[in-house]
Amino acid sequence: DAGVIQSPRHEVTEMGQEVTLRCKPISGHDYLFWYRQTMMRGLELLIYFNNNVPIDDSGMPEDRFSAKMPNASFSTLKIQPSEPRDSAVYFCASSLIRTGRSDTQYFGPGTRLTVL
Amino acid sequence: GQNIDQPTEMTATEGAIVQINCTYQTSGFNGLFWYQQHAGEAPTFLSYNVLDGLEEKGRFSSFLSRSKGYSYLLLKELQMKDSASYLCAVDNAGKSTFGDGTTLTVKP
Repeated sequence: DAGVIQSPRHEVTEMGQEVTLRCKPISGHDYLFWYRQTMMRGLELLIYFNNNVPIDDSGMPEDRFSAKMPNASFSTLKIQPSEPRDSAVYFCASSLIRTGRSDTQYFGPGTRLTVL
Repeated sequence: GQNIDQPTEMTATEGAIVQINCTYQTSGFNGLFWYQQHAGEAPTFLSYNVLDGLEEKGRFSSFLSRSKGYSYLLLKELQMKDSASYLCAVDNAGKSTFGDGTTLTVKP
């Protein structure tokens, strides 16, 4: 298995532009997570999906952020308009939740976003 | 709410043993993860504790006390490649909340 795939790996954009981050989870995994990591705030959960349905988006910072999962093999995280404070590494992770316990989350390589 | 505490930094010598502690106060708890993250890379899974006690996996062991809200990661026979950030994360029904991580530096 190729693992969790994210694209692009690096993105540099200017303030006010729209940014779309993409994720392909591991085949067969039921859960997909979007995280943001910065030096100041550490690793923060933004949103997670179960069977393509958003379960908890309480970590999404504001209305400029939106996430979709149109099918089991693809998810996007969109920022519109982007701001310099959105600069961070964005990780996508997936896991298979077994009955009665959780499974480990497998992280993608991340997208390093820089907003100028 | 969720509150997870880890030391910010630790330093140890190659070949030694180091213990990284994690305390938590959370509204829900199913288990506790430990992840390793090298600089510039994604976190990778080390261990998952559901029940109290020590679980050993090679050079790495993880301990959990649910009544005390306490866990530790024990690294033995430290190697230079163990220099990394170690994150503990509380799992609540599939949703993980991460501590800020402990940066471990292994010196020769």
